[in-house]
Amino acid sequence: NAGVTQTPKFQVLKTGQSMTLQCAQDMNHEYMSWYRQDPGMGLRLIHYSVGAGITDQGEVPNGYNVSRSTTEDFPLRLLSAAPSQTSVYFCASRHQTYEQYFGPGTRLTVT
Amino acid sequence: AQSVAQPEDQVNVAEGNPLTVKCTYSVSGNPYLFWYVQYPNRGLQFLLKYITGDNLVKGSYGFEAEFNKSQTSFHLKKPSALVSDSALYFCAVRDIEGSWGKLQFGAGTQVVVTP
Repeated sequence: NAGVTQTPKFQVLKTGQSMTLQCAQDMNHEYMSWYRQDPGMGLRLIHYSVGAGITDQGEVPNGYNVSRSTTEDFPLRLLSAAPSQTSVYFCASRHQTYEQYFGPGTRLTVT
Repeated sequence: AQSVAQPEDQVNVAEGNPLTVKCTYSVSGNPYLFWYVQYPNRGLQFLLKYITGDNLVKGSYGFEAEFNKSQTSFHLKKPSALVSDSALYFCAVRDIEGSWGKLQFGAGTQVVVTP
C-alpha cells in the first residue's frame, strides 16, 4: 500500500492564481479530510468527506473547494490564491472509528 | 463542542530521563483520544489511541498514555527519552458519538531531547 499520497510537495503561486492539490489513498477509507498547519495553531480542518459524492465544510473552508468523485481521490482547489493561504496542507484518511493516516504534506507559498 | 489543550509549547528533557507531554480535553460525550508525532518536514504519524478499556495505552516507539476521566487528561509518557524523540507532538480528540466525528487537534508541543 502507498497509503496517502499528495502532490505536489512544494508550490509557489502568485496572488490570484488557482491550483489544485491532489490527494489519493489506496486503503479504501471512507473518510478523507484536508487540514492546514500553521505555526502555533495546530491542524485546522478545511473540508472533509465521508464518501464519494459527500463533502462538508470544516473549520476554515473559505477560499477552498473540494469534490469526491471516487473513494480514492479527494482534491483541494484554491480558487484565487491569497497570501493568507501560505501554509502546509495535509490530506488524511481513515475508516469510521479508527485513527487517521496522513499524507506527507504540500508546502504552499503565495506571493 | 469538543476541544483539546496542550498547555506546554515546548518540553525540554535530557536523554535517558522520563518524558511527559500533557493533554487535556473537553467533549460532550465519551472521547476517542489520539497522539500523533511529526518529525521535521514530514506528515503526522499515529502513536497511540484510547477508545475504551484499560486507562493505560501502549503505543509505538515505547510511548504510552494514561487516560484519566476525572481530570479529562490524556498525557503522553515515555520512561526514557531518546534524542530521536525530538519532534512535534499533537494530541487529538473526537466525540465517540457518531462514526464520522471530526478530529480536533491541539496546538502541538515541541519536544527537545538533549544528549
